[in-house]
Amino acid sequence: NAGVTQTPKFRILKIGQSMTLQCTQDMNHNYMYWYRQDPGMGLKLIYYSVGAGITDKGEVPNGYNVSRSTTEDFPLRLELAAPSQTSVYFCASSRAIQVGYNSPLHFGNGTRLTVT
Amino acid sequence: EDQVTQSPEALRLQEGESSSLNCSYTVSGLRGLFWYRQDPGKGPEFLFTLYSAGEEKEKERLKATLTKKESFLHITAPKPEDSATYLCAVQAETSGSRLTFGEGTQLTVNP
Repeated sequence: NAGVTQTPKFRILKIGQSMTLQCTQDMNHNYMYWYRQDPGMGLKLIYYSVGAGITDKGEVPNGYNVSRSTTEDFPLRLELAAPSQTSVYFCASSRAIQVGYNSPLHFGNGTRLTVT
Repeated sequence: EDQVTQSPEALRLQEGESSSLNCSYTVSGLRGLFWYRQDPGKGPEFLFTLYSAGEEKEKERLKATLTKKESFLHITAPKPEDSATYLCAVQAETSGSRLTFGEGTQLTVNP
């Protein structure tokens, strides 16, 4: 199993450009998430999905969009890149919540994005 | 609002020098508290889940404990390969599967 795979690993964008960060998982997990990590700021939730066709906003959704057409894929779209979106982006997945059991999140290795 | 505060921000230890990392939390009904390890350039890697006060879990040189207000990650006789950033996160009963993360403690173990 590859787990959670993110592409690209690195990207430099100019202000106003658009791009899609790709995320795919092969663990048949229902839940998927996008986090951003800034130095000294911890991980902040951008968007999440509890299943194909269902998405919802996290703490910091402004400037981003997501879609979930399949169980495996959860791409993150930046429409008009801004310097404030310079960050490391992590995709994660987990099983559905079960009574008495908390499924841990499985993370990809991140996409380092710089907007200049 | 759920909050997680980790201390210290950074910790330097000599190999074999035991210590503890702290995670203080405020949450409206704790469903679970998670510890992760993150190496440079990598995503967080799951270590433990704790569910209720008094619970303890161990893995090699690491032991996690939980009270009603905080969790500790005890590192016994650390080795240089234990150097990493350790992240704490909480899951509230009202937040579904979403986690709130602390800012992490960067641990360096010198040989």
